[in-house]
Amino acid sequence: DIVLTQSPALAVSLKQRATISCKTSQNVDIFGISYMHWYQQKPGQQPKLLIYEGSNLASGIPARFSGSGSGTDFTLTIDPVEADDIATYYCQQSKDYPRTFGGGTKLELK
Amino acid sequence: EVQLQQSGAELVKPGASVKLSCKTSGYTFSNYYMSWLKQMPGQNIEWIGDIYGGNGGTAYNQKFKGKATLTVDKSSSTAYMDLSSLTSEDSAVYFCSREDNNYYFDYWGQGVMVTVSS
Repeated sequence: DIVLTQSPALAVSLKQRATISCKTSQNVDIFGISYMHWYQQKPGQQPKLLIYEGSNLASGIPARFSGSGSGTDFTLTIDPVEADDIATYYCQQSKDYPRTFGGGTKLELK
Repeated sequence: EVQLQQSGAELVKPGASVKLSCKTSGYTFSNYYMSWLKQMPGQNIEWIGDIYGGNGGTAYNQKFKGKATLTVDKSSSTAYMDLSSLTSEDSAVYFCSREDNNYYFDYWGQGVMVTVSS
């Protein structure tokens, strides 16, 4: 299985930049497409798709969210952070079965 | 508008089985895969498996083979998951989620809490 590793938590101030990383145990790119996706989950809610295929913004997601990276190293950036962004963020790969998720990064306020 | 509506919370006894449903609307059910995912309280998200709405073809996470069985009813655009021989380790929130063409999860059900307790 492809293992995705995220830092458990990140403390950030409002209106600052948050950078959340995800490292994979194997390359998740195929022919230039990164099969890496990002989700936001708030307590008691289902996850919400933010970024797909590494860097594409999902429908309805504010432009302060962006994704970058390739191969085995990926980043989700939130700039600037707003109060509504306090949540847990998960990366997920779809290059191989089984689909796997990172352990999640909980974004907290400083 | 795409919608995935899951059935209500379940309280089941150890050793029993439960069948969860995910009724969809707003898109052509037979053109997409549906995944089921598990999240224990405060824990990571695990992918259980997926099923193609067109022909019922399935793929399972090895970890959940023998535990989960996925089916679909095309006539009602509904996906189902049977969970068998339930133990406390099966107590969790279960989500259904539509997979887009590159297998990311673009729409999610609201989740259903399954509690296994005597």
